Amino acid sequence: AQTVTQSQPEMSVQEAETVTLSCTYDTSENNYYLFWYKQPPSRQMILVIRQEAYKQQNATENRFSVNFQKAAKSFSLKISDSQLGDTAMYFCAFVGEEMNYGGSQGNLIFGKGTKLSVKP
Amino acid sequence: NAGVTQTPKFQVLKTGQSMTLQCAQDMNHEYMSWYRQDPGMGLRLIHYSVGAGITDQGEVPNGYNVSRSTTEDFPLRLLSAAPSQTSVYFCASSLHGYNEQFFGPGTRLTVL
Repeated sequence: AQTVTQSQPEMSVQEAETVTLSCTYDTSENNYYLFWYKQPPSRQMILVIRQEAYKQQNATENRFSVNFQKAAKSFSLKISDSQLGDTAMYFCAFVGEEMNYGGSQGNLIFGKGTKLSVKP
Repeated sequence: NAGVTQTPKFQVLKTGQSMTLQCAQDMNHEYMSWYRQDPGMGLRLIHYSVGAGITDQGEVPNGYNVSRSTTEDFPLRLLSAAPSQTSVYFCASSLHGYNEQFFGPGTRLTVL
C-alpha cells in the first residue's frame, strides 16, 4: 500500500528566511504524481506545486521549489524568502498512475501535514 | 466559474440524525471525491466518483453514502450521524485523477 510520511508536525521560520519541509513516500509504482497543498487558517486547500515522477527536473513555482529524489522516494518543499502569508498547514500528497487504471482514479493519499509558522 | 462549492459551511447534528452535504462543480470535471480531515490525520478519502453513475469507496466509507446522477453534483449522505463523524469535510474535483484537484471550502460538522 502507498503511504506518505511527513516527519515534521510543526516548524517555524523567520520572515525572509528559507525553510524546507520534508516528505517521504512508499510505492511500488514507477509512474506517479506528487503534490504539495497549502491550507491557511481559512481552511481552503490550495495547490502549491506538482511534480510528475517521470520528469527529472525539479518543479518550481516562484518562491516554492521541490527536491525530488525518486530513488530515495523523497519529495521536499523549499520555501524561499518566507512571508507571513506562508503561515499554514502544508500537506504532501501522492497519486499513482496505475491507480488510475485500477479504477481508483485520482485517489490522493495525504501525509498528516506540517504546521508552518512564519515569524516577523 | 464558481469552481467547487459546498453547502453548508457549518452544521451541528444530534446523534442519529441524517443529513446531506452538498457539493457541486462547474468545470465539467469527471472525477469528484469526498475527504474528511481530522486533527493529526491529514485528509482521508471517503468516497469518489469517476463519472456520472459511477461511485466507489475510499479509505473510510462506513456511515456515508454517495450518488452521482449528474457530472456537476456529488452529494454525501450521513444516514445516522455519530460523534465519530465530527470532522471537516472537503469535496474535490479534477479533470482526470492525476491532474490538480480543486477543493471546495469545506464543511465543519459537529455531531453531539
